[in-house]
Amino acid sequence: KQEVTQIPAALSVPEGENLVLNCSFTDSAIYNLQWFRQDPGKGLTSLLLIQSSQREQTSGRLNASLDKSSGRSTLYIAASQPGDSATYLCAAIYNQGGKLIFGQGTELSVKP
Amino acid sequence: GAVVSQHPSWVICKSGTSVKIECRSLDFQATTMFWYRQFPKQSLMLMATSNEGSKATYEQGVEKDKFLINHASLTLSTLTVTSAHPEDSSFYICSASGSADTQYFGPGTRLTVL
Repeated sequence: KQEVTQIPAALSVPEGENLVLNCSFTDSAIYNLQWFRQDPGKGLTSLLLIQSSQREQTSGRLNASLDKSSGRSTLYIAASQPGDSATYLCAAIYNQGGKLIFGQGTELSVKP
Repeated sequence: GAVVSQHPSWVICKSGTSVKIECRSLDFQATTMFWYRQFPKQSLMLMATSNEGSKATYEQGVEKDKFLINHASLTLSTLTVTSAHPEDSSFYICSASGSADTQYFGPGTRLTVL
């Protein structure tokens, strides 16, 4: 069964800290891995998409890595800000045009 | 670009009534649309996948007669929750993908069934 797990479920850090969110997937034969941000009561905003042939993607203060062999992806947030407070979801895609399999999310709180 | 809208953003209805939620791709043609539901503090669970002009494919455990999906055009899909009950109260999110296979998500619809 294809499952995605995120650890930790919640994380609270002081402003300015660098942090890492973890995502693991049971089936390593993924097509893409995607990270999203969700604010309370809102939809999803795509942050980064890593194709299976890539090892990482960067956008501003965000860096996502992918290690297919170990079934893991990490989202690194540098110099965290209160505005980064949200739930971060990772999702695995196993074939082109296929469905997204989501992890449970990590609820991040960055305190000023 | 790649904007997806949902309407309504929230709805409250009485038990036993039906509710229709619309999902529109505003600036691209969506060959495939996906419907998800999300309970509080939980992740998104795919309910069904719909391709324009054909019947939706439902995930295991999702009642197709209760959650009616219509994808009549390349820019519009609708989800109708029939005979809604309090346990159907949830956050419903759609996504749409075009030729690039990337899914773009709508802002979600909060359904509360009294």
